[in-house]
Amino acid sequence: GAGVSQSPRYKVAKRGQDVALRCDPISGHVSLFWYQQALGQGPEFLTYFQNEAQLDKSGLPSDRFFAERPEGSVSTLKIQRTQQEDSAVYLCASSSSGTLQETQYFGPGTRLLVL
Amino acid sequence: GQQLNQSPQSMFIQEGEDVSMNCTSSSIFNTWLWYKQDPGEGPVLLIALYKAGELTSNGRLTAQFGITRKDSFLNISASIPSDVGIYFCAGRYNAGNMLTFGGGTRLMVKP
Repeated sequence: GAGVSQSPRYKVAKRGQDVALRCDPISGHVSLFWYQQALGQGPEFLTYFQNEAQLDKSGLPSDRFFAERPEGSVSTLKIQRTQQEDSAVYLCASSSSGTLQETQYFGPGTRLLVL
Repeated sequence: GQQLNQSPQSMFIQEGEDVSMNCTSSSIFNTWLWYKQDPGEGPVLLIALYKAGELTSNGRLTAQFGITRKDSFLNISASIPSDVGIYFCAGRYNAGNMLTFGGGTRLMVKP
């Protein structure tokens, strides 16, 4: 497709379960971002990739969160031993270049509910 | 985490009215962006501002990049029912940097 896609769209996990969220960026986009959006809040930055290199992971809330982009295209955000506070929408965004005019295009998000 | 201060948090207006919302930050940004998010979807870019003092329009939408680089506003003229949604401001310091978002303004339009 033409836009950023994410899967699954919805995920219900039991506390303590591991989850993996997938992002397919727009073809050819070198930059990929993950954001976490809590209910009623704006998105908050988690991590950033340029091609396969993870250049910034300062927003990851704990060492239970891990992201990878091994071939510089598809990315996976993994959350180990999920907790109730991990419940949120996880948004992926991609952009084509490193110029100031770059536009980040967002996917529809994965809604994670931890019970 | 850090979020920009966005106000108002919500607005309930009559169709045809003009709307204004703004965003302030304690830090400077070199790019200001305004996004709209519909339920169940990701944010969609409405307007991007790249220069302090810049005033940019996109149809019925007008946004300005504050001269201090610490604030921005968005105006919507002659609102229509499809304007309903949540509007977010976002700032970026440099190319390749993450976006810092405001808390959102929920707009409701009464036909």
